[in-house]
Amino acid sequence: EVQLVESGGGLVQPGRSVRLSCVASGFKFDDYVMHWVRQAPGKGLECVSSITPRSDTFGYADSVKGRFTISRDNAKRSLYLQMSSLRTEDTALYYCVKDAPNGSIDYWGQGTLVTVSS
Amino acid sequence: DVVLTQSPLSLSVTLGQPASISCRSSQSLVHSDGNTYLNWFHQRPGQSPRRLIYKVSNRDSGVPDRFSGSGSGSDFTLKISRVEAEDVGLYYCLQGGHWPYTFGQGTKLEIK
Repeated sequence: EVQLVESGGGLVQPGRSVRLSCVASGFKFDDYVMHWVRQAPGKGLECVSSITPRSDTFGYADSVKGRFTISRDNAKRSLYLQMSSLRTEDTALYYCVKDAPNGSIDYWGQGTLVTVSS
Repeated sequence: DVVLTQSPLSLSVTLGQPASISCRSSQSLVHSDGNTYLNWFHQRPGQSPRRLIYKVSNRDSGVPDRFSGSGSGSDFTLKISRVEAEDVGLYYCLQGGHWPYTFGQGTKLEIK
């Protein structure tokens, strides 16, 4: 059974940093692109960052470019999102998401909530 | 980035009646490999999204056959032939052919 378990969320002040983690199980982690998708309260979904299996290609939404850094450790079956210079508009539930081989995503974690507020 | 525009943004449907959601893209979603990577997701309140349809019209395992996807190029549709109570929630289209992947704004389905 595929499982994605996020952690690291919480209350953080504007301008500060936080690192999200996701531990994966139930599939061959190092074979798949992985994504972070966020959902602000009452809002829609936004794919904020993506990373290829060997960490050779990264993608970022314009809204986070230059502030967020995605990384992974295949030996630990883990995905990370380093979030810096946080803004109130970064407040959201952050999902760890597994890519599917058919130009899609198929499994989601339960999410970790990041609240940016003073 | 590819922009996906869904309509309507809100839908109120009587049980047993059909429903239809449109998703239009700012550019053709036909990939250089010939595939069209347009997907549909359903999100119930308080839950993570669940995929219903991939590559325009392929239903995921366990998805009732009252759900169907169609379309081509930059114009796509999700149809529910007979709405049931469990279908309430938000529906999103997602394009997976260009990085970053992008979602439509979402369509809220409620029962009238």
